[in-house]
Amino acid sequence: EAGVTQFPSHSVIEKGQTVTLRCDPISGHDNLYWYRRVMGKEIKFLLHFVKESKQDESGMPNNRFLAERTGGTYSTLKVQPAELEDSGVYFCASSQEDFAETQYFGPGTRLLVL
Amino acid sequence: RKEVEQDPGPFNVPEGATVAFNCTYSNSASQSFFWYRQDCRKEPKLLMSVYSSGNEDGRFTAQLNRASQYISLLIRDSKLSDSATYLCVVLGGSNYKLTFGKGTLLTVNP
Repeated sequence: EAGVTQFPSHSVIEKGQTVTLRCDPISGHDNLYWYRRVMGKEIKFLLHFVKESKQDESGMPNNRFLAERTGGTYSTLKVQPAELEDSGVYFCASSQEDFAETQYFGPGTRLLVL
Repeated sequence: RKEVEQDPGPFNVPEGATVAFNCTYSNSASQSFFWYRQDCRKEPKLLMSVYSSGNEDGRFTAQLNRASQYISLLIRDSKLSDSATYLCVVLGGSNYKLTFGKGTLLTVNP
């Protein structure tokens, strides 16, 4: 069974540009989560989808970040316009049950904003 | 105060050594506790859950002290393959939002 996949694995953009990150959860997993780790900090929760609905987006840093999950399958996280402080590793996780122990993480997208 | 605090490390130990990781959490309402392992440039992976009674999985032992809000992980007879960053993770206030510590890097040397 394929795990959580994320695309791209790396992205280098200039400040002010737009970047879209994609996450494909494990097939059949209704729950999808985004986390990120900025340099020198801990991994932090961004938001949680159940199917196509946002259940909790309390961790989203500001309105430059937009997450979608049309059709309840893959999800995208768009940063527009990107700022220097957005650099970091963005992880996606999915679970079948709405319970933390069963979250499986993807390999992450490493974003560098110059 | 950070929600989850860990030993900053890094730890460098020889093969066969015993190494202990410590972690404290600030939210007394936290419900579940975990240790994750993260290899360099990889995703975090669940190593083990931590139960109030303490639990063991082979060379790994996890302990929880709710009164002190303290979690520990002990690795006995460390192997080269144990080299990784160990993340203390707490679940509180919801059943899905994981709160991570910064992690402690362990390097096991031959």
